[in-house]
Amino acid sequence: GAGVSQSPRYKVAKRGQDVALRCDPISGHVSLFWYQQALGQGPEFLTYFQNEAQLDKSGLPSDRFFAERPEGSVSTLKIQRTQQEDSAVYLCASKRVLTGELFFGEGSRLTVL
Amino acid sequence: EDQVTQSPEALRLQEGESSSLNCSYTVSGLRGLFWYRQDPGKGPEFLFTLYSAGEEKEKERLKATLTKKESFLHITAPKPEDSATYLCAVQAVQGAQKLVFGQGTRLTINP
Repeated sequence: GAGVSQSPRYKVAKRGQDVALRCDPISGHVSLFWYQQALGQGPEFLTYFQNEAQLDKSGLPSDRFFAERPEGSVSTLKIQRTQQEDSAVYLCASKRVLTGELFFGEGSRLTVL
Repeated sequence: EDQVTQSPEALRLQEGESSSLNCSYTVSGLRGLFWYRQDPGKGPEFLFTLYSAGEEKEKERLKATLTKKESFLHITAPKPEDSATYLCAVQAVQGAQKLVFGQGTRLTINP
């Protein structure tokens, strides 16, 4: 596609619910990243994929967070048993290899009540 | 630990009033320093990559410069459409693909 597409754009969950956030990267981009952005803060790294391999998950805040990219294209970030502190915008980005430039989606805003 | 600090947190300028945004960083070997622009409700949009001290890059009213400890984003004769949050990020040499971002500078240009 023309850009990185994320869905849903907005998600409201009750505390304890599971959520799944989807990212459709730019076609042909092998590298895919997830970032978490709290209100008024810069994005914080969560995890990184190269094709279907998850090469770095050092930023995932707890074992309630899980990400996958089974066919090396679309990725899903899953958060189990959501807590209020999980409220944030979750940004997905894919990378142009030659320039190292990251292209971000518009994000999924998660609000946990 | 790699760290990025941006200042000021917020800046209000009149249209045409030039200024600079600062990004101070500590990193265990710099692979690249990145500037992004973020509009409300949108994802960050790439502006520049700088790789070594002394490097400069320009785009329209923006110019980014890099030293061994900090980067500046100079804005010349800004217009209201330049209002946005400007984010600085670093990537370390040590095999990591991730970017470490600062908290951003929220820039408002009044007409």
